[in-house]
Amino acid sequence: GESVGLHLPTLSVQEGDNSIINCAYSNSASDYFIWYKQESGKGPQFIIDIRSNMDKRQGQRVTVLLNKTVKHLSLQIAATQPGDSAVYFCAENRVDSSYKLIFGSGTRLLVRP
Amino acid sequence: GAGVSQSPSNKVTEKGKDVELRCDPISGHTALYWYRQRLGQGLEFLIYFQGNSAPDKSGLPSDRFSAERTGESVSTLTIQRTQQEDSAVYLCASSLVPGGNTEAFFGQGTRLTVV
Repeated sequence: GESVGLHLPTLSVQEGDNSIINCAYSNSASDYFIWYKQESGKGPQFIIDIRSNMDKRQGQRVTVLLNKTVKHLSLQIAATQPGDSAVYFCAENRVDSSYKLIFGSGTRLLVRP
Repeated sequence: GAGVSQSPSNKVTEKGKDVELRCDPISGHTALYWYRQRLGQGLEFLIYFQGNSAPDKSGLPSDRFSAERTGESVSTLTIQRTQQEDSAVYLCASSLVPGGNTEAFFGQGTRLTVV
């Protein structure tokens, strides 16, 4: 099936530092993107979304940046906390006949106390 | 219910047996997705239902896998003649409209172990 077959890359940051998690998406026609957070043993949870007519969107402590030119998405987490430790996935909504959500490969974020 | 509900939460089965996994989406959500997540890996798309449209089955890995959905409610993912490689967490998600600029809400998943 589509998406992920590799083991997850890991980003380790110090508590209080800012984190940047990157994602490359595949379809230039995708028009909607979501970042999800998945804690151990749980299903993914919505963090923030962005539409293709925007290049930046901010939430509480999180910012998503979209660069359509290079098909790149990033999630910035300010003042990272231990509770931010999780796996983070980006997802794209492909503009085709089925509109299914396709997920990126994910990044594991570890916050050091 | 308040969220997407999946059952069972855990399933251990013998190789060669058939299993059925159930998903109850959020009421009113027209779109329903099934994903597979192997240990330490990402989400692999399996199948997508949207209203009365023909489902997108392009992610099903073999003909041992099938899924049904009754209207805009419950969905069942069936795996026939299970193999050890089928061991994974199976996640279901639903969204209000088809992908269409609305988030998908996930259930907690069913952890399938084939022994």
